[in-house]
Amino acid sequence: GAVVSQHPSRVICKSGTSVKIECRSLDFQATTMFWYRQFPKKSLMLMATSNEGSKATYEQGVEKDKFLINHASLTLSTLTVTSAHPEDSSFYICSASVSQGNQPQHFGDGTRLSIL
Amino acid sequence: AQKITQTQPGMFVQEKEAVTLDCTYDTSDPSYGLFWYKQPSSGEMIFLIYQGSYDQQNATEGRYSLNFQKARKSANLVISASQLGDSAMYFCAMREGGSSNTGKLIFGQGTTLQVKP
Repeated sequence: GAVVSQHPSRVICKSGTSVKIECRSLDFQATTMFWYRQFPKKSLMLMATSNEGSKATYEQGVEKDKFLINHASLTLSTLTVTSAHPEDSSFYICSASVSQGNQPQHFGDGTRLSIL
Repeated sequence: AQKITQTQPGMFVQEKEAVTLDCTYDTSDPSYGLFWYKQPSSGEMIFLIYQGSYDQQNATEGRYSLNFQKARKSANLVISASQLGDSAMYFCAMREGGSSNTGKLIFGQGTTLQVKP
């Protein structure tokens, strides 16, 4: 079964709305989670690394004030797209890993965000 | 800087045949891990196989095997006995090791595989 749960799976909302996406590790504690963005038929682009109890580390070119990340517990990270516009429409997917080394990152099922 | 390259945007294979998906990488870190993920049209990322930079043998997982050629910096995925359900996008990814490792993955561009009946 899924070890990382992402919710909601699909969001359609009006321009100017803020949208919150949740990523939960179901049966393990994740001090680090990752948020990716993916355009159709393109690769996953890392947006930020979410660190439990501290500020997220954003990749170059990603607006911190636009994409707010909160990692308040060892099993939950949230991504809030603030004042969303049509160009924010995309597939957002989170991941977490139990530990380093050869352990794979487990991904949520992703969220399809459509801004009208 | 680390980099992952998948040069095949799309591939076709006949059902029951084997197919190789190419992946090359570049890193200055001697410790790293290479991963392959499958992404069907529904969007979820499915972990397939892992190869560590210090592993002596090529990784295998069922019908998946990884042709790891360290000197050439390549980590090609081989899928044997292709099935219709193998049609999906496939991503090669790398995670650098070492004390500064954050665990983040860098992905290649992806290869869309279509299995023909």
